[in-house]
Amino acid sequence: DQQVKQNSPSLSVQEGRISILNCDYTNSMFDYFLWYKKYPAEGPTFLISISSIKDKNEDGRFTVFLNKSAKHLSLHIVPSQPGDSAVYFCAASATNFGNEKLTFGTGTRLTIIP
Amino acid sequence: ETGVTQTPRHLVMGMTNKKSLKCEQHLGHNAMYWYKQSAKKPLELMFVYSLEERVENNSVPSRFSPECPNSSHLFLHLHTLQPEDSALYLCASSQETGPIGAFFGQGTRLTVV
Repeated sequence: DQQVKQNSPSLSVQEGRISILNCDYTNSMFDYFLWYKKYPAEGPTFLISISSIKDKNEDGRFTVFLNKSAKHLSLHIVPSQPGDSAVYFCAASATNFGNEKLTFGTGTRLTIIP
Repeated sequence: ETGVTQTPRHLVMGMTNKKSLKCEQHLGHNAMYWYKQSAKKPLELMFVYSLEERVENNSVPSRFSPECPNSSHLFLHLHTLQPEDSALYLCASSQETGPIGAFFGQGTRLTVV
């Protein structure tokens, strides 16, 4: 049973336009959400995160939106650039007294078309 | 440079071999993790070490044996693997308290033949 779902395995967007990557989760205990970016032959790198006490977090061209009632989050990239072409993983954790454990989605491959 | 270094980057081993994957982190983190990434599957957490003690083993077969001699180093010892164990093995580290988020190494691409 996948607790974090990225239903779009791939997405193509024209350069300069907005890229929207979606993620759904099922575990209501999740209270912290992260997006990771992965280039081929490299490990995932942290991109942006959001706590469940917020509904939006912005960092430059990247904005993450959280809709707790729908158990849905999305990553917006605007404007999209060729270097944004990568696989994007959504991850979630339920913080407690100790280690956080990240549960990942299967990833969405974003291709930016020049 | 992510601060988390994994060696080797690629490994091909036979089913009867014994090999080890190595991970080093230079970020001062106190938790380290092994993840497995198979094609078209989510990243799967295998093991968690906190302050050099194993705190989680996600039903991983005994042919995978982790070792954490200190807070900067993590090993994954492999023996009698199966072809279906071929995958990308990722090491990560994080600070238990404070901002949440793991830093990943580049991974070891393992092929079992």
